[in-house]
Amino acid sequence: GAVVSQHPSRVICKSGTSVKIECRSLDFQATTMFWYRQFPKKSLMLMATSNEGSKATYEQGVEKDKFLINHASLTLSTLTVTSAHPEDSSFYICSARANSRSVRDSPLHFGNGTRLTVT
Amino acid sequence: RKEVEQDPGPFNVPEGATVAFNCTYSNSASQSFFWYRQDCRKEPKLLMSVYSSGNEDGRFTAQLNRASQYISLLIRDSKLSDSATYLCVVTPGYSSASKIIFGSGTRLSIRP
Repeated sequence: GAVVSQHPSRVICKSGTSVKIECRSLDFQATTMFWYRQFPKKSLMLMATSNEGSKATYEQGVEKDKFLINHASLTLSTLTVTSAHPEDSSFYICSARANSRSVRDSPLHFGNGTRLTVT
Repeated sequence: RKEVEQDPGPFNVPEGATVAFNCTYSNSASQSFFWYRQDCRKEPKLLMSVYSSGNEDGRFTAQLNRASQYISLLIRDSKLSDSATYLCVVTPGYSSASKIIFGSGTRLSIRP
């Protein structure tokens, strides 16, 4: 079964509105979660690293005021696309891995993604 | 040079064939390696971890070559259901907070 739950799976919104996407780790705690976006037939692009209790780390070229990230608990991170525009339409995927001393012991698990369409 | 590079493919092979593809990485200090599979319009799913000694899971074999800085995935007796994009994942550090670097993926298409 899914270990990372992402909601909603699909959203259509009007230009100028904001959309919040939730990412939950279901049976483990995750100090760190990752947010990606993916355009059709393209690779995953890391947008930001979400850190529980502190500010997210954004990748170069990603506007922090545009993509607001909140990681208020060890099992929940949210991504809010503010004032969405048609060019924000994409597939957004979150991922998380259990807190562990070793990366090898805790591979990355993905949410099922959110397909955002801005009209 | 990209941190993680994969041949984008597509690899188009007949059912039952053996197919292999590699993924090269530039950071010699990379510590953890994985293969993920992504179906069209779906999220990536972990296929297997890649260990220094190599590992096998059924028809799938993954190997790591640290000297040449690449990992490989071999699929034997390929099935139609193996058609997907295979993503190579490399993590530079040991910590669970370490950045994860994805390859752009190799598209595999199995034909009947």
